[in-house]
Amino acid sequence: LAKTTQPISMDSYEGQEVNITCSHNNIATNDYITWYQQFPSQGPRFIIQGYKTKVTNEVASLFIPADRKSSTLSLPRVSLSDTAVYYCLVGDSNYQLIWGAGTKLIIKP
Amino acid sequence: DTEVTQTPKHLVMGMTNKKSLKCEQHMGHRAMYWYKQKAKKPPELMFVYSYEKLSINESVPSRFSPECPNSSLLNLHLHALQPEDSALYLCASTSGTGSYEQYFGPGTRLTVT
Repeated sequence: LAKTTQPISMDSYEGQEVNITCSHNNIATNDYITWYQQFPSQGPRFIIQGYKTKVTNEVASLFIPADRKSSTLSLPRVSLSDTAVYYCLVGDSNYQLIWGAGTKLIIKP
Repeated sequence: DTEVTQTPKHLVMGMTNKKSLKCEQHMGHRAMYWYKQKAKKPPELMFVYSYEKLSINESVPSRFSPECPNSSLLNLHLHALQPEDSALYLCASTSGTGSYEQYFGPGTRLTVT
């Protein structure tokens, strides 16, 4: 099973672009990579999912290199409300799900 | 409707009590999940129901008993819990077609005294 590693915490400022990288060296062929955001005492909220290359939606981009051993969540022009914990999740269709430990992102004014 | 609801929001129970947590979704999703989350830790998968059948049981103690009465409902029956079982219990659902776009409920904050 893939093990996921992500930074424990990051700081940034309003209006900046934030990139959070997750390492998953043993990712399997069938695994997808998904990122979630979680605020205190709430359930995680889906941000974005990808398999390879680049995926973009209205809130974030996900960059996955060809070897798929890492992925980078990119949040453009963050605001104070983006302060949260961000999790990467690697999983396959047999419900083998490996969550990262989470990155606490603090956005400063 | 993209909402997963969970009741109750908070629950305090003694070690000899029997209680149940409930989860409901009306998105037509065919996979539903129970997670346990301790403070400052990622969610820990407990059970997965796929098309109303138990697909995954991550070696969870028998004092936790899941039930899926139909495709919209998921219960977690609790009996003889220990103080270390105190945590946020999260329910989630996915379409069941291999997507991991999980929709989470707000969770039930459980305290075992």
